[in-house]
Amino acid sequence: GAVVSQHPSRVICKSGTSVKIECRSLDFQATTMFWYRQFPKQSLMLMATSNEGSKATYEQGVEKDKFLINHASLTLSTLTVTSAHPEDSSFYICSGKYGGGGGIQYFGAGTRLSVL
Amino acid sequence: QKEVEQDPGPLSVPEGAIVSLNCTYSNSAFQYFMWYRQYSRKGPELLMYTYSSGNKEDGRFTAQVDKSSKYISLFIRDSQPSDSATYLCAMNRLTQGGSEKLVFGKGTKLTVNP
Repeated sequence: GAVVSQHPSRVICKSGTSVKIECRSLDFQATTMFWYRQFPKQSLMLMATSNEGSKATYEQGVEKDKFLINHASLTLSTLTVTSAHPEDSSFYICSGKYGGGGGIQYFGAGTRLSVL
Repeated sequence: QKEVEQDPGPLSVPEGAIVSLNCTYSNSAFQYFMWYRQYSRKGPELLMYTYSSGNKEDGRFTAQVDKSSKYISLFIRDSQPSDSATYLCAMNRLTQGGSEKLVFGKGTKLTVNP
């Protein structure tokens, strides 16, 4: 299967700082990348969909000014959590879509963010 | 009613058992059906992918889709301790804006005991 690399895997930061998470598709071009958030013992919740070269589409209730998404190339998308607070602590996972309609999503290993 | 329902378990079976995992869905617009496996503190890993009713087999895994009943299943034969993970069903549909969205079940936590 296709490989998506996500970095860092773990980050601990102080409240008020910003954190950037990178998501790279290593062996395919991902025209669409997705960012999810997962709370303990819960399923994945879609935060936003990003298409290469255009603005991200955010799900209802997700603050676009807090979660900045950039999809500058077909293999790289970044999520920046700005002015992070303890309630932003969570497991963030990205995925890249392989193929056209009905394309499969391949997921990164996730980033565990802890805001102190 | 949730779009996708999945019993969260937990499910505990002895090694070698046949495992059956299931999801039901309410939206006829779902076109593609997937099963992902997620180990603790890791991202989901795609196991099976299908878009039509019927069975699809891959090694010890069989995915079954019944669109008339809006019911999908994943069977694991000869289960191994390494199969212990959370299994997520996922379904793909188009949003009103024309983009695609993957809707997940809550996941079933499986433990295979040696």
